[in-house]
Amino acid sequence: AQKITQTQPGMFVQEKEAVTLDCTYDTSDPSYGLFWYKQPSSGEMIFLIYQGSYDQQNATEGRYSLNFQKARKSANLVISASQLGDSAMYFCAMREGNTGFQKLVFGTGTRLLVSP
Amino acid sequence: SAVISQKPSRDICQRGTSLTIQCQVDSQVTMMFWYRQQPGQSLTLIATANQGSEATYESGFVIDKFPISRPNLTFSTLTVSNMSPEDSSIYLCSVGAGAGANVLTFGAGSRLTVL
Repeated sequence: AQKITQTQPGMFVQEKEAVTLDCTYDTSDPSYGLFWYKQPSSGEMIFLIYQGSYDQQNATEGRYSLNFQKARKSANLVISASQLGDSAMYFCAMREGNTGFQKLVFGTGTRLLVSP
Repeated sequence: SAVISQKPSRDICQRGTSLTIQCQVDSQVTMMFWYRQQPGQSLTLIATANQGSEATYESGFVIDKFPISRPNLTFSTLTVSNMSPEDSSIYLCSVGAGAGANVLTFGAGSRLTVL
């Protein structure tokens, strides 16, 4: 079974609007971490935001926020006020356990295109 | 967070040859991770490079094909051996960083094309 599922292969949004990128996960471990990364066409992986399974509040980082719904096992990324530079691939990832072992499992990604 | 320098950034290689990718971190880290991203695909962990011991490989990856060195706490290399077109990918190294090492930071990646 897929541990990380991103059901949207592509998303379109107009500049200055908000967009939500979906991510669901599957784990039986009570301790886990959820990550979102951005990959521009250059290929580098840019860390955006992190949510721990025990965090009480949804994570926020500037224009990025994570809508964490633990019971539904979803960790959607919300980008507010989209910019042209937000056009990229976005990957959701999960780390299971709390061993400090930074092994991530990635979803298949969502390509976001921001139009003027 | 850690700054990772990776080289080469890209290369075009001939079938049957080998290429070594270097990863340099600006701080000492216990573990370094090597990922592969095939065209249009997600990232897959190849192996974990530990200083002072053999690398730990994930299922489907073997040392003969992807030998890894980790001579010190700031440097690692990944060699892609006897390359075929199926090895055309982006290869990325990464390390844990941030408070509590919760964040995995990636190098800029090495984009390999095998002809």
